[in-house]
Amino acid sequence: GAVVSQHPSWVICKSGTSVKIECRSLDFQATTMFWYRQFPKQSLMLMATSNEGSKATYEQGVEKDKFLINHASLTLSTLTVTSAHPEDSSFYICSVGRGSSYNEQFFGPGTRLTVL
Amino acid sequence: AQKITQTQPGMFVQEKEAVTLDCTYDTSDQSYGLFWYKQPSSGEMIFLIYQGSYDEQNATEGRYSLNFQKARKSANLVISASQLGDSAMYFCAMTSGGYQKVTFGIGTKLQVIP
Repeated sequence: GAVVSQHPSWVICKSGTSVKIECRSLDFQATTMFWYRQFPKQSLMLMATSNEGSKATYEQGVEKDKFLINHASLTLSTLTVTSAHPEDSSFYICSVGRGSSYNEQFFGPGTRLTVL
Repeated sequence: AQKITQTQPGMFVQEKEAVTLDCTYDTSDQSYGLFWYKQPSSGEMIFLIYQGSYDEQNATEGRYSLNFQKARKSANLVISASQLGDSAMYFCAMTSGGYQKVTFGIGTKLQVIP
C-alpha cells in the first residue's frame, strides 16, 4: 500500500491565489520530508527540506516567502504556494526518508498545479 | 555536492529485447546510494532498484539489474525482456554524505516498440 500520500492530486487556481499541498507519511513518523518540483519534461529538483518542529531548509534559488513549508507533526508536511503565478505551474512531489538507510526513500504520488 | 548525468534523452527498444540506460555519477563521499526510478505518464515515482556504494555485487530486482562500475562511476540500468508497460521516463538518482535527500539526473525516455 501507499506509504506517502499527497493531497490534492491536482489543482487549478487563478493567478494571485494561494494553494496548499499536503504530504502525509502513512506508515511511520517522519522528522524530515522533502519537497521537489518538476517542470514539464524536466527532472525533479529539490526545493526544500521540511523539518518537524523547526524551520524548513530551502535550496538555493527557492523563495522561502513564496513557498511556505510547515511540518507541524511527524506525519504531515504542507507546502503553500503563496500568490501563485503561471510560472509556478508544475508538478510538486514530496518524499519521506525512513531511518538511516539510503534505500528507504518513499515518494508521494505528486500534485499537479496549474495557475491560470 | 553530487551530480548525476544521463546522456540519453530518448531510447527505443523492441518488445522482449534488453535495453541499457546509462548513468554516471559524481560525488566526493565514500558512502552513497544509487537509485533508479520509473516515472510513467501519471507522474508517480516508482522505485526500481538500489545499489549501495559498498555493495560488492550488482543489484538485481526481477527484470531490472544495475551494472555498477565504481571505478568508472557508472550505474547503468539494464532492463531485460522489455514490455510495452516499460515505456516511461527513467531517472537515475543518488544520495550521499549521510543525507536522505535525492539528487536526480535529467532522465531518459524509454519507448518500447511492439
